[in-house]
Amino acid sequence: DTEVTQTPKHLVMGMTNKKSLKCEQHMGHRAMYWYKQKAKKPPELMFVYSYEKLSINESVPSRFSPECPNSSLLNLHLHALQPEDSALYLCASSQTLLQGSSTDTQYFGPGTRLTVL
Amino acid sequence: DAKTTQPNSMESNEEEPVHLPCNHSTISGTDYIHWYRQLPSQGPEYVIHGLTSNVNNRMASLAIAEDRKSSTLILHRATLRDAAVYYCILRGYNQGGKLIFGQGTELSVKP
Repeated sequence: DTEVTQTPKHLVMGMTNKKSLKCEQHMGHRAMYWYKQKAKKPPELMFVYSYEKLSINESVPSRFSPECPNSSLLNLHLHALQPEDSALYLCASSQTLLQGSSTDTQYFGPGTRLTVL
Repeated sequence: DAKTTQPNSMESNEEEPVHLPCNHSTISGTDYIHWYRQLPSQGPEYVIHGLTSNVNNRMASLAIAEDRKSSTLILHRATLRDAAVYYCILRGYNQGGKLIFGQGTELSVKP
């Protein structure tokens, strides 16, 4: 099973709402990632977790708060977002961060399409 | 981070081979060359990667120039399902898992 699942598929929220995106994988992967993708643009890395610890934060605003409660689950908590945060949010996982081998191949979920009104 | 340059778009006919080029003139000796593709309304998926030698797998082949400043992804027989954006990405040593996507090449396949 090489599936990464993301819920919800679509989310509409107001600027004062608090919501969460969820990502799950059962491949035993120890690295997990959040990416943001605007329309017609490539994905941009937001966060990297390795062994449930935050490894990279690409200077993401604090209104995005990641959480990795266990090795299978990755959440992205959203608070006080702006309309320009509307995008597709992609989650990915890999066996490790070790570069070069097949263990760093990233498997992506289908994404959550977020609209901020 | 070393950058890649790809054509914005390419067209292919169904059942014909497709050669997708990528230039990476500032590649360093420890950078791996990865290819991912993103089908419409889906997340990216891994295609292939290599360091110096040409690589083959069930999806595609990767041809790497001897000086490593360019590479070519080869789809041997394009199908309509291969229509996607193809990203050529350099993965550096100690990059901490980062995948830095460039603009990619949008491949369309005509029946």
